[in-house]
Amino acid sequence: GNSVTQMEGPVTLSEEAFLTINCTYTATGYPSLFWYVQYPGEGLQLLLKATKADDKGSNKGFEATYRKETTSFHLEKGSVQVSDSAVYFCALSVTSGGYNKLIFGAGTRLAVHP
Amino acid sequence: NAGVTQTPKFQVLKTGQSMTLQCAQDMNHEYMSWYRQDPGMGLRLIHYSVGAGITDQGEVPNGYNVSRSTTEDFPLRLLSAAPSQTSVYFCASSRTGPGEDRYTFGSGTRLTVV
Repeated sequence: GNSVTQMEGPVTLSEEAFLTINCTYTATGYPSLFWYVQYPGEGLQLLLKATKADDKGSNKGFEATYRKETTSFHLEKGSVQVSDSAVYFCALSVTSGGYNKLIFGAGTRLAVHP
Repeated sequence: NAGVTQTPKFQVLKTGQSMTLQCAQDMNHEYMSWYRQDPGMGLRLIHYSVGAGITDQGEVPNGYNVSRSTTEDFPLRLLSAAPSQTSVYFCASSRTGPGEDRYTFGSGTRLTVV
C-alpha cells in the first residue's frame, strides 16, 4: 500500500543550526511528494513539493530532493530560526478511484530556541 | 479574507450527542475534504467531495456523514459522538483536488468527546 514514514520528534535545535527531517515513502507508480508545515493554532500550509524523480523543491530556505532510488524526500534547512518552530508533515499524492488523495506522515515537531 | 472557515474552533460533547462541524470556502473551489488529526498518526481523510452533490468516503468514514448541497459549504456530521472521535478536524479545499499549490486548509476544530 501507500504510506509515508517520518522521523519521530520532537526535534529541538538552537537557532542557526542545520535541520534534517527524514521522510521515506512506499507507493505504487510515481507519486508527487510534498512537505506541509503547521504553525501553532493554524491549518497546514504547503511548504514545497516535487513531482518527479530528482526534482528539488525549495521554499523559505527549506529544500527537499525526490530520491526514487531510496524512496526518500528528506527536508533540510541550513540555518533554522525560532520562527521555524512548527510541525512538519511529509505527504504523497496517489490516484484512487479516479481522484487524487494525499497520504500524510505522522508529522515531526520542530522546536528552535534562541 | 478569502479562505476556508471552520466553526466552531472548540467543542466538548457528551457521548451519544450529535453535532455538525461547519466548513465554508469563498474561493469557488470544487474539491473539499475533511481530515482528522490524531497524535502520532498525521492527517487521515474522512470524506471528500469533488463538487456539489458528489461525496465519497476516505480512509476513516465510520461515524461521520457529509453532504454537499452548495459549492461553498461542506458540513461534517457526527450522529452519535464517541470518545474515539476526540480529535482535531481540518477542512481543506482546492480547485480540482489535493496536491495543488492552492490546497487550502482551515484552522481546525478541536473536538473532545467525554
